[in-house]
Amino acid sequence: DIQMTQSPSSLSASVGDRVTITCRASQSISSNLNWYQQKPGKAPKLLMYVASSLQSGVPSRFSGSGSGTDFTLTISSLQPEDFATYYCQQSYSNPLTFGQGTRLEIK
Amino acid sequence: QVQLQESGPGLVKPSETLSLTCTVSGGSTISYYWTWIRQPPGKGLEWIGYIYDSGSTDYNPSLKSRVIMSMDTSKNQFSLKLLSVTDADTAVYYCARLTVTYSGFDYWGQGALVTVSS
Repeated sequence: DIQMTQSPSSLSASVGDRVTITCRASQSISSNLNWYQQKPGKAPKLLMYVASSLQSGVPSRFSGSGSGTDFTLTISSLQPEDFATYYCQQSYSNPLTFGQGTRLEIK
Repeated sequence: QVQLQESGPGLVKPSETLSLTCTVSGGSTISYYWTWIRQPPGKGLEWIGYIYDSGSTDYNPSLKSRVIMSMDTSKNQFSLKLLSVTDADTAVYYCARLTVTYSGFDYWGQGALVTVSS
């Protein structure tokens, strides 16, 4: 199985901050990496696919980059609605696997 | 607008079978991988497996011996059976749609909490 490791596990930031979350794969996954946002009690929401493509309807302050084993999700200017848990997920090979999550909290 | 909705018992006894159904509305079930994902309380996400509209399946090896997925395209429904459950199977179970290009799970159900307890 491909292991996905996110860092940090939790992060405190303020509205307006620029935030970056990192995801590392245990082997190369090309660009087969997706990002999700999950709010308490809700299903995850797809933000980015194939590393850097913005899902329809997702604000442009979200961006993704990377290939191979190292990927990042960046939020350029945090908004109040962005405080949530973020997950990366590899689509390179089955079993499909997720990172452990990064909890983004208000400072 | 595509919508997915899980249904099934919220309480299952240990050693029994967990059964859930996902109903898809607002779109076709053709040419997608229909997926089950679970999330134990306070923990991360685990892919259980998926079924394609042809009926072909792929399961997570960690659960493969206990998972059965099926699909009824005439009803726009797909189902999950998880056999011989234990406390460790207590989780929110989500159904979701995966594109054939593997470009992410783009639609999700709201989730169904299933508790395993006697």
